[in-house]
Amino acid sequence: KAGVTQTPRYLIKTRGQQVTLSCSPISGHRSVSWYQQTPGQGLQFLFEYFSETQRNKGNFPGRFSGRQFSNSRSEMNVSTLELGDSALYLCASSRGGQASTGELFFGEGSRLTVL
Amino acid sequence: GENVEQHPSTLSVQEGDSAVIKCTYSDSASNYFPWYKQELGKGSQLIIDIRSNVGEKKDQRIAVTLNKTAKHFSLHITETQPEDSAVYFCAASTRSGSGNTGKLIFGQGTTLQVKP
Repeated sequence: KAGVTQTPRYLIKTRGQQVTLSCSPISGHRSVSWYQQTPGQGLQFLFEYFSETQRNKGNFPGRFSGRQFSNSRSEMNVSTLELGDSALYLCASSRGGQASTGELFFGEGSRLTVL
Repeated sequence: GENVEQHPSTLSVQEGDSAVIKCTYSDSASNYFPWYKQELGKGSQLIIDIRSNVGEKKDQRIAVTLNKTAKHFSLHITETQPEDSAVYFCAASTRSGSGNTGKLIFGQGTTLQVKP
């Protein structure tokens, strides 16, 4: 069974630009969550999508947005990039719903550097 | 707000010794507490979890204890091996009527180094 796939793995942007990251969950998983990981803050929850609807949202500004497609693939977008957005962005999938055990399956992440 | 504090931030032990990592959570509604191991080049993996209806859970060399009254939970690794070297994250979440969600509140992480 293929794991969670995130693309691109590495990218460099400049301030003011925007970026789109992609996540393909494990087959059969309907929930996709996004986390931002930085050395000082650890993993911080961005948002979760379940069956194409945003189910939970963290405390990030509106520049951070996401969506989920009918095949459960998800994208997150960051507009008007700031230096502080440099981080490892992690995607995690799970079955979601009553069948979920709570275990999240993480991808290797997309490392974003903002110059 | 929801918060999880994790200590220590770094931990160095000799091979064969035990390692203990502690976490404190703020949301009394939290009822699910997983631990994840993050290694370079690999996605973070669940190593053990515990739900609020039990006080302790063991899986070979790894154990987790939970004190709901004090809002503390801890990871215990016995007979540590060099391959245990990694970053460990504790987390807390709340299972709702619709089941577990993908929203976890993570601690800041502990870098464990096991010296041969």
